[in-house]
Amino acid sequence: EAQVTQNPRYLITVTGKKLTVTCSQNMNHEYMSWYRQDPGLGLRQIYYSMNVEVTDKGDVPEGYKVSRKEKRNFPLILESPSPNQTSLYFCASSRTGTGGRIYTFGSGTRLTVV
Amino acid sequence: DAKTTQPNSMESNEEEPVHLPCNHSTISGTDYIHWYRQLPSQGPEYVIHGLTSNVNNRMASLAIAEDRKSSTLILHRATLRDAAVYYCILAGGTSYGKLTFGQGTILTVHP
Repeated sequence: EAQVTQNPRYLITVTGKKLTVTCSQNMNHEYMSWYRQDPGLGLRQIYYSMNVEVTDKGDVPEGYKVSRKEKRNFPLILESPSPNQTSLYFCASSRTGTGGRIYTFGSGTRLTVV
Repeated sequence: DAKTTQPNSMESNEEEPVHLPCNHSTISGTDYIHWYRQLPSQGPEYVIHGLTSNVNNRMASLAIAEDRKSSTLILHRATLRDAAVYYCILAGGTSYGKLTFGQGTILTVHP
């Protein structure tokens, strides 16, 4: 089944403790992206990657890092999490092309930073 | 990014058609019109997209105005499982690779 897999689904951590949220896709998509979703603010893009070793900032990149060493994986790294990063995170992938491409989203990771 | 305007909420009865409107008066010639929906506790899910012509798939139909300044997502027979937040998004052109989500329309389906 074509899918985007995120892990973990739920995570509670303490301020300052480094964490990584993994994202993997099995569709050979070039493009991958991370979003966060907050009440009243909707979904906002954090980082995106056009292909292996090519990443760029989205709208809200502060406090996050990403890497794209392999085509299928796009981990989101929070080196020093803070409570304002408590949010619902989604990873997405799509095939690079024209504006008609279709995105597949993961099921989400609910992160709580205390 | 060109913006879209959707009603905050709509209601429907089960097995009736639903027409979800979207205004995008500043759409550019290269912008595609995408619709995604988000069911409770799930990630957004692709519904349909189009550029100029009306589009149909197994989930829905997309009717695009001739001037492309508005569009309508049509669910032909709403079911309880269609209750979700529906997002109308413009993508393509200079916003290469990016989906910019608005607040969407909360669709409630009554049995």
